[in-house]
Amino acid sequence: SQKIEQNSEALNIQEGKTATLTCNYTNYSPAYLQWYRQDPGRGPVFLLLIRENEKEKRKERLKVTFDTTLKQSLFHITASQPADSATYLCALDRTGGGNKLTFGTGTQLKVEL
Amino acid sequence: EADIYQTPRYLVIGTGKKITLECSQTMGHDKMYWYQQDPGMELHLIHYSYGVNSTEKGDLSSESTVSRIRTEHFPLTLESARPSHTSQYLCASSESGDDEKLFFGSGTQLSVL
Repeated sequence: SQKIEQNSEALNIQEGKTATLTCNYTNYSPAYLQWYRQDPGRGPVFLLLIRENEKEKRKERLKVTFDTTLKQSLFHITASQPADSATYLCALDRTGGGNKLTFGTGTQLKVEL
Repeated sequence: EADIYQTPRYLVIGTGKKITLECSQTMGHDKMYWYQQDPGMELHLIHYSYGVNSTEKGDLSSESTVSRIRTEHFPLTLESARPSHTSQYLCASSESGDDEKLFFGSGTQLSVL
């Protein structure tokens, strides 16, 4: 069956360090992968999209990599700040189009002073 | 900031009541979605619509129904609420295309007593 795995344990890091979150998937051949941020009691907010033929994508302090051989995406936040504390979700399209996304359970990031 | 609105924000209701969760977007998006999310769990797609008069069931079986009479409006209805329906319901929309990002509302937290 299709499965998306993200670290279930919270990631605690110190302010200024780089946070790295992992998204692994099985039995998918996604055309693209998306990352979202979700704050408690709120809806997710889109951050980045990376396509299957892209190795890396950057946006300000954010960087996403996508390895279709390993079936893995890494999400990096450089120079992390307490305001970056949230749950980060990865999402895959299942059909190669049509935008029916399947979400992972998310990884909670806590950035401490 | 996404222009997609959900009401009510919180709803506590007794078993057997009929409820309608409202979702409206002002972005002119053709595609709209309803996701269900329990605490610490992934989002599950329960309904989606690719345009007016088009509705489909998602991955997670749900006793709720939806309608899409106008592009901007995608309400979800439960004819007879039960405690098992207690959850957070998130509405989202996206532009047509193969890799469009989702814009989410703030969600409705439903508690059925």
